[in-house]
Amino acid sequence: QSALTQPRSVSGSPGQSVTISCTGTSSDVGGYNYVSWYQQHPGKAPKLMIYDVSKRPSGVPDRFSGSKSGNTASLTISGLQAEDEADYYCCSYAGSYTRLYVFGTGTKVTVL
Amino acid sequence: QVQLVQSGAEVKKPGASVKVSCKASGYTFTSYGISWVRQAPGQGLEWMGWISAYNGNTNYAQKLQGRVTMTTDTSTSTAYMELRSLRSDDTAVYYCARIHPLSPPDYWGQGTLVTVSS
Repeated sequence: QSALTQPRSVSGSPGQSVTISCTGTSSDVGGYNYVSWYQQHPGKAPKLMIYDVSKRPSGVPDRFSGSKSGNTASLTISGLQAEDEADYYCCSYAGSYTRLYVFGTGTKVTVL
Repeated sequence: QVQLVQSGAEVKKPGASVKVSCKASGYTFTSYGISWVRQAPGQGLEWMGWISAYNGNTNYAQKLQGRVTMTTDTSTSTAYMELRSLRSDDTAVYYCARIHPLSPPDYWGQGTLVTVSS
């Protein structure tokens, strides 16, 4: 029951865009349109940023966008800001009794 | 506003059990479930399982089956997660989060640090 694969780190300058990938299988990412993304600052609980591949909860800036192609989902942060520096985790519905959801390995976003 | 407030940090010896609570407010408790996610120091998020607050149905991650029990008390809108036969690699921050089966965890508790050490 492997975690989804994410790059360990990505970085960008303020105002630039960064994209984080999240690769799974046809049993999770590729099988359902239920991919979500979380932002986690050090010592804090995760915060939901994207759900159902590309929907934003109320209050999340539209600089954050999500997409999916096949077994890979992506999170793009446009107009990078200092407060975006955090860890980001993808999460996918996997649908089995012992594995309803699965998380990604996490990506550290650094604002240069 | 939706809030999930968890119990305080715990230190346990190997082989012991721990029970973490999660008190919900700001929404109809029985209309959602509660999921549990843990994060070992410096590591990523790990799905543990969830419980329906509507009917008490549970499902647990395969690696924890037999050691974990999730329960709810609808009279107090509180969820509980008990982990038994603790090992050092169970040391982690344990989070509860509101969930609906086809919607991911949305509101999260503040986390509870459980340290397993002899």
